[in-house]
Amino acid sequence: EAQVTQNPRYLITVTGKKLTVTCSQNMNHEYMSWYRQDPGLGLRQIYYSMNVEVTDKGDVPEGYKVSRKEKRNFPLILESPSPNQTSLYFCASSLYGGLFQETQYFGPGTRLLVL
Amino acid sequence: KQEVTQIPAALSVPEGENLVLNCSFTDSAIYNLQWFRQDPGKGLTSLLLIQSSQREQTSGRLNASLDKSSGRSTLYIAASQPGDSATYLCAVRPLLAAGNKLTFGGGTRVLVKP
Repeated sequence: EAQVTQNPRYLITVTGKKLTVTCSQNMNHEYMSWYRQDPGLGLRQIYYSMNVEVTDKGDVPEGYKVSRKEKRNFPLILESPSPNQTSLYFCASSLYGGLFQETQYFGPGTRLLVL
Repeated sequence: KQEVTQIPAALSVPEGENLVLNCSFTDSAIYNLQWFRQDPGKGLTSLLLIQSSQREQTSGRLNASLDKSSGRSTLYIAASQPGDSATYLCAVRPLLAAGNKLTFGGGTRVLVKP
C-alpha cells in the first residue's frame, strides 16, 4: 500500500531534550516536506527536500533541522525543543517537486507536546 | 503574500443535504488548487486537484470549481452522508513557489447529522 508513515504518532517531552520525528514513504517520491498545523494558523511549511541531499527552508524553519540521506526518509530534528513547538506535525511527499500537476500524500501526523 | 481563507470555519447539515464549501485566495498567480479532507488521526487525503487552466473537476459526489480571476473555489458535495463529517482544507500552489509548496486555508469543519 502506498503510504507515508510517521513515528512516533504522539510525543510528550520537556524543554531542551533533543528529539527526532521520522518520516518514510514507499512511493519512490523525490519531493518530501514537513508542515506544522496550529489552531488559527493552518498548515505551514517547515522544510522541504527536492531530492537526496537537497533540502531548503520553508516558511517557519526556526528551531528545526532536517536531513535527506536516503530517498525514502526525511526525519525532522528538534535539537532543543521549546513549548512554542507544541503542534501537530505532518510529513508529505510527491513524485516530483511540483514539476507537474502532482497531488501530495500526507502522513497521519505526529502530535507533539513540549512541557 | 498569498493568503487562503475558508468561511465558515464550521458547518452542520442534516444527512442528504448538499454541502457547499468556500475557499478564497488573494493572489491569482497559482499553479493549481487542491481540496483535502482531514480526519482525526489519519492525516490529510487529497480529494481533487484543479489545474489553474481548468474551471472545475469532478470525482463521484464531489465537484470543485475554480474562478482564478476572482480568487475563489467552491467544493460541492452532493447528498451528504454522516461519513462526510471531517475537516475540509483548501490549498493553493503559488505559481512561483519553490518545490511543491502549498499554502493552506484554515479549513471548514463539517458535521453531517443522521
